[in-house]
Order: sequence, then structure tokens, then C-alpha cells
Amino acid sequence: GAVVSQHPSRVICKSGTSVKIECRSLDFQATTMFWYRQFPKQSLMLMATSNEGSKATYEQGVEKDKFLINHASLTLSTLTVTSAHPEDSSFYICSARDYGQAGNSPLHFGNGTRLTVT
Amino acid sequence: RKEVEQDPGPFNVPEGATVAFNCTYSNSASQSFFWYRQDCRKEPKLLMSVYSSGNEDGRFTAQLNRASQYISLLIRDSKLSDSATYLCVVSLSGNTGKLIFGQGTTLQVKP
Repeated sequence: GAVVSQHPSRVICKSGTSVKIECRSLDFQATTMFWYRQFPKQSLMLMATSNEGSKATYEQGVEKDKFLINHASLTLSTLTVTSAHPEDSSFYICSARDYGQAGNSPLHFGNGTRLTVT
Repeated sequence: RKEVEQDPGPFNVPEGATVAFNCTYSNSASQSFFWYRQDCRKEPKLLMSVYSSGNEDGRFTAQLNRASQYISLLIRDSKLSDSATYLCVVSLSGNTGKLIFGQGTTLQVKP
């Protein structure tokens, strides 16, 4: 089945630094990828929709200048958490849909990145 | 009001029990419905899609009631390995692929 690879799986960084998370579709093309965040004991919250070759669409309340998204190819989207602070510590998960599948087909999720900002 | 609401539980049941989870969604324009399973500190994994006519996959049965905006998941003959958090997920109309997740219902199956 379709595989989405996310890297790194875990990262610890100091406050004020930036962290880049990669999301790759390994065996399919994805014109759209989605970035979610999950705080402990809470549901996944959509942060932004990453569109290949164009600007990302951010959900209300998500700072686009803080969470930089780049989707330069059909198989790679990156999320950069800039000037990270302890409150950014969370589980970040990307997902993607096969470009060739219907719009209501299930998404494939990456294995997530656990970010800890000290 | 949350867009997708679930009872967070936890549901503690013995092995072999039948357990049912419910979920309601607020947006009547929702088009697609899913149940995902999430193990502790892992990514969610698709358990099954939910169709209007109801559907079954082994020990798992999903039902959808569009009029009531209600989704259910029934697990029969619970196994220890069924212990996880079950996420009710709704996709809005259109081809956006945007998913709305419920908080999840935690199931703990005990021997």
C-alpha cells in the first residue's frame, strides 16, 4: 500500500531554533499534503494544506510565518517550525492522498514527528 | 460545539466483550466518514471507511445515520490487541481532502 515517510520521528531542540520536518510520499504522487498537530490527549488538528507548486493554505489561528510550508515536488512537503518555543512541543503528522485517487479516498499518514522544545 | 464529538472514555471491557462507540458531527455537508485507530504515541491508521448502508469488516461494523449526523463503530469479540484510541473522522464536501478528527475514544481490553 501507499507509504508516507516522515522525518525525523523525534527531535529535541532549544528554544529559538528552527526545525524542519519532511514528509515524503514514497510510491505515489501527492499534489496536496496535510499537516496536523496533536497535543497530548487531544485530537489531531489540521494546521495547513500544502499545495504542490503554490502557497499553503493555513487554518485559522495558525501563524504562516511561524510554520513555513514548502511543497516543491509531487512527493515532498516540508514544515519548518521557526523560532520554536516550548509551547510548540507537540506531535506533528503529515498526510497525503494519491493524486490518482478519488477526492474522498482515505489519506495516508506519516509516522509523525515528536517535537520537544527545551 | 466541536465539529466531531466523541465520548473520550476510557471504555474498559473484558476480552470477548462487544463494545460500541458513537460519534456525532455538526456539518451536514460532510461527505466521507472514517474510523481510524491510533495507538499510543503513533500515527493514526485507517480502520475502515463508513458507508451509508453500513459496512462490516470482520469483527468491526460501522454505521452511518446522515439524518441524525451520527456514526457508530461496533467491535465484537474484543481482543487485547484492540486496545487503542478510536478516532471518528469526517471529510467535508469537495475534493479538499480536509479531515476533521474527533477527540477519540479510548478502549482498554483486559484479560
